[in-house]
Amino acid sequence: GNSVTQMEGPVTLSEEAFLTINCTYTATGYPSLFWYVQYPGEGLQLLLKATKADDKGSNKGFEATYRKETTSFHLEKGSVQVSDSAVYFCALSDSPGGYNKLIFGAGTRLAVHP
Amino acid sequence: DAMVIQNPRYQVTQFGKPVTLSCSQTLNHNVMYWYQQKSSQAPKLLFHYYDKDFNNEADTPDNFQSRRPNTSFCFLDIRSPGLGDAAMYLCATGGQETQYFGPGTRLLVL
Repeated sequence: GNSVTQMEGPVTLSEEAFLTINCTYTATGYPSLFWYVQYPGEGLQLLLKATKADDKGSNKGFEATYRKETTSFHLEKGSVQVSDSAVYFCALSDSPGGYNKLIFGAGTRLAVHP
Repeated sequence: DAMVIQNPRYQVTQFGKPVTLSCSQTLNHNVMYWYQQKSSQAPKLLFHYYDKDFNNEADTPDNFQSRRPNTSFCFLDIRSPGLGDAAMYLCATGGQETQYFGPGTRLLVL
């Protein structure tokens, strides 16, 4: 079945450091790919998405490129801030029967220190 | 403006005492989802509604039920909560591509 694997955390960085969180997927067909962010005690917020190969999703300085050849969707940010501290979930959409079922990775906790 | 609203944000119940969590959405989407998220884990889909059609995931326990009286509202009923049901419950809605999540209700079972 479809699945998502992302790097284990926690990832601890100093402010203004470069961030990469790795995400790879296994899927039949060509799913859409997402990054969601969860701040402490909150629900999930959509951070960015890409719907086809070579698409780049971007938002708030974060970027991820849909790489079909490596089945990856790594999240990057050039300069992280303390306010970026959160848990990041990579997900793919599996659309059986016409609805959008999200399959999530286990999540990666990011802690950014001043 | 909030698009998916969940009430309450925190719910305490007793072992075996039925509890209902509520969700409403202002996006007028025809699909609504309920997820369970246990501590430090990924959200897990329990079921979804497509309009009034209820769709259970194969591994969702019978203890969990849901009601959707209209497009805007959806309820999660836990008939006999056990200690293992303590979790964050997330409601979501969405169109073809993207799901929008509410802030979640954290359920504590004593």
